Amino acid sequence: NAGVTQTPKFQVLKTGQSMTLQCAQDMNHEYMSWYRQDPGMGLRLIHYSVGAGITDQGEVPNGYNVSRSTTEDFPLRLLSAAPSQTSVYFCASSYALGSGNTIYFGEGSWLTVV
Amino acid sequence: LAKTTQPISMDSYEGQEVNITCSHNNIATNDYITWYQQFPSQGPRFIIQGYKTKVTNEVASLFIPADRKSSTLSLPRVSLSDTAVYYCLVGPRGPGNTPLVFGKGTRLSVIA
Repeated sequence: NAGVTQTPKFQVLKTGQSMTLQCAQDMNHEYMSWYRQDPGMGLRLIHYSVGAGITDQGEVPNGYNVSRSTTEDFPLRLLSAAPSQTSVYFCASSYALGSGNTIYFGEGSWLTVV
Repeated sequence: LAKTTQPISMDSYEGQEVNITCSHNNIATNDYITWYQQFPSQGPRFIIQGYKTKVTNEVASLFIPADRKSSTLSLPRVSLSDTAVYYCLVGPRGPGNTPLVFGKGTRLSVIA
């Protein structure tokens, strides 16, 4: 039972480089989302999706792009990495958008931008 | 999405019972109360959910008064391994109107 799988787990980027964080879930969940968490801080929502072909912005979307071509996958793209994007990134999924639905998180991707 | 308020941090000694209260004054009729636990360097994980009165599982208990404007997560006899951040979320099951937004949570530190 894989649940939510994120790759890579660790990545170091140079300022200005681009990269994609991969996220896949095998629970047939409609809702998927990306959060970032800075040291000692709470989770901040970057982008989310309520189904294939549908995405929307969260609290901190600038500098990130997403797409949802399949139910299973929800990649997060950093267009031009900046040191301010150094953070831990979590992908999550749940049955639907409502907060009463259990949300499942991946193990996190640690990103450092130098 | 019902706004929630919970303490920023709490300290406890091992073996004590810890109660973390979450206020959600504008909870809607079809909203559920869900608590998540996040250990350092891990993503949050579901620990308990309730609608009214009391719910208990192997990890915690959740107490919800009749007016449902607050809830209390109770951790019995905590150990060092219970050191984590605890988040309270309020919202409906099934389709909703707003995305899942986590607040800062309550940082519980258990001391030996």
